Order: sequence, then C-alpha cells, then structure tokens
Amino acid sequence: RKEVEQDPGPFNVPEGATVAFNCTYSNSASQSFFWYRQDCRKEPKLLMSVYSSGNEDGRFTAQLNRASQYISLLIRDSKLSDSATYLCVVNLSGGYNKLIFGAGTRLAVHP
Amino acid sequence: GAVVSQHPSRVICKSGTSVKIECRSLDFQATTMFWYRQFPKQSLMLMATSNEGSKATYEQGVEKDKFLINHASLTLSTLTVTSAHPEDSSFYICSARDSRRNSGANVLTFGAGSRLTVL
Repeated sequence: RKEVEQDPGPFNVPEGATVAFNCTYSNSASQSFFWYRQDCRKEPKLLMSVYSSGNEDGRFTAQLNRASQYISLLIRDSKLSDSATYLCVVNLSGGYNKLIFGAGTRLAVHP
Repeated sequence: GAVVSQHPSRVICKSGTSVKIECRSLDFQATTMFWYRQFPKQSLMLMATSNEGSKATYEQGVEKDKFLINHASLTLSTLTVTSAHPEDSSFYICSARDSRRNSGANVLTFGAGSRLTVL
C-alpha cells in the first residue's frame, strides 16, 4: 500500500466550478500535512498547510481527518490558472523534514 | 524569501557517463538538503537526505554507490549519477531546509529541478 494515495484524475472542470480532491495516508504517526501544486515539468510549490481544525486560503479550503487518515482540498470558483497537479504531502514523524508525496491529482480547468 | 538554485536544469548524456547536479541555497544556510526523483506521472520519491559534513542517508532501494551525494558546505550539495543508464533518466529535484528556522514544510525550498536524459 502506498504511503500517500490520491486519485490521479484528471479532473476536467469548467471555469467557476468547485472541485474537491481527496487523499489518504497510511502512517498514523504522521505529524503534518500539506498540499503542494506542481505545474508541468516544474518543481512543486507549497499551496497550503493542512490543520486539524480545517483552514482556508482564499478559494482554497483544506481539511484533515486524523481518525480516518484523510485529507481534502476544495477549490471554489476554479480559474484557468488553477490547472496543475495537486500533490498531497505528509511529513512523517521523526524530528526532521521527511516529506512523502502522493502521486498527485491532475486538474484541468477549461473555458 | 529563500532561494535554491539547481544546476543544470537539463542535461543529456551518453550511457556510461557520470553526471553531477548541484543544489545551492543562495541566501540561507542549509545543514540538510533532500534529493528527490520523479518519473513521468509519478510522485516525487525521496532518494536521500544530505547532511552537511557527514554521510548522506539513503532511502531503501537507492544505491549509494550509484548516486553519490556530497554536502561539503552549508550552501552546496551535489548529486552525482555515476555510470548513468537510460533507466536513470528522470527529473531530479533538491530541496533545502533553512537551518535557522523550526521544522515544517513551509521552510523547505525546492530547486527548479534537473531533467536528465540518458541516451
């Protein structure tokens, strides 16, 4: 079983749509959680951290359910520029930054 | 903000040759750097953790003699792919952690990646 699993997509949505991505992780001792965005042939860039209480950053909302080991990302009012691959990332316990990346969910927003 | 420079961005080499990739933290010191590899449509896979002044820690399944890592200074880590073969063709990305700050992914800065093609 993969340590971080995501639906690969692609999700093809029109501009203005709301889209949700899900992610599950296998290590219950995982300490911190993130969503990264990766554009084609580029490095990943941090989109937002994910907190147990849920957090929002503009059109983006992230949720964490530790009991279910489940993370989600909701994008409202999708823009063309949101087209990218979204990576679910987990930081394992151990006292140092060892990020485990999911394979990513591809989003394509069309006019 | 923190910047990590990775060089070269793209390299094409013949099978059997060695390729060196550099990862530099430009405006901060990085006692720890991480090397990842990403195959098309797959996730980034951590290859090794590079520690300044000591040996790198390799992930399971990564050959340390194949992928030589040197972290001789607080701002530079290098990855050398020795005797490269076509199956080593991949996107290699480094990240660096600002040693002055607390742990957390938001202080990990990624390089722009190096695309290696072995003919």
